[in-house]
Amino acid sequence: EDQVTQSPEALRLQEGESSSLNCSYTVSGLRGLFWYRQDPGKGPEFLFTLYSAGEEKEKERLKATLTKKESFLHITAPKPEDSATYLCAVQVQGGSEKLVFGKGTKLTVNP
Amino acid sequence: DAGVIQSPRHEVTEMGQEVTLRCKPISGHDYLFWYRQTMMRGLELLIYFNNNVPIDDSGMPEDRFSAKMPNASFSTLKIQPSEPRDSAVYFCASRRGGLGGELFFGEGSRLTVL
Repeated sequence: EDQVTQSPEALRLQEGESSSLNCSYTVSGLRGLFWYRQDPGKGPEFLFTLYSAGEEKEKERLKATLTKKESFLHITAPKPEDSATYLCAVQVQGGSEKLVFGKGTKLTVNP
Repeated sequence: DAGVIQSPRHEVTEMGQEVTLRCKPISGHDYLFWYRQTMMRGLELLIYFNNNVPIDDSGMPEDRFSAKMPNASFSTLKIQPSEPRDSAVYFCASRRGGLGGELFFGEGSRLTVL
């Protein structure tokens, strides 16, 4: 069964304190890995797509990387507005458009 | 673009009642997805449509759940009869065809079944 595990479940940082979120996956064949951000009371918002090991994507203070077994979301010098739940999802080879989501990491950045 | 529009945003109902959730996808998007989010299980895919045709409904919990997409701009998710364990946030999402998983989510419908 395809599985996505995110760690830690929750993370508290001080403003400016860099860190990384982890997403490990077990799938029969990876078609793509996706990162989303979810604010309270809102739907998830797309951040990045990664397709192959070694690929990296950046957006402002966020950088996503991918290996054959896991992905990291690196947050450099975070600000309070980066506080949110970050969700990782995988799409499996085989033709389905289904995304399998992890349970997310709730990030809190204190000023 | 108005984004994916869901209604109602909040629904409180009694066990045994019928619940209908509605979704208007982004114009031009070929795919529509219904997800359910709970603290215990996270985001789970219930069903998705391609060009208004249901493709994968393996995530629909049981016969009490049904979904339709009568045209490209409207979809419904119905629960009949509802049970307390159906309490969750239900999200609709849409996207264009082709490579990629960039789903555009609505703001969700929070369902509470008493």
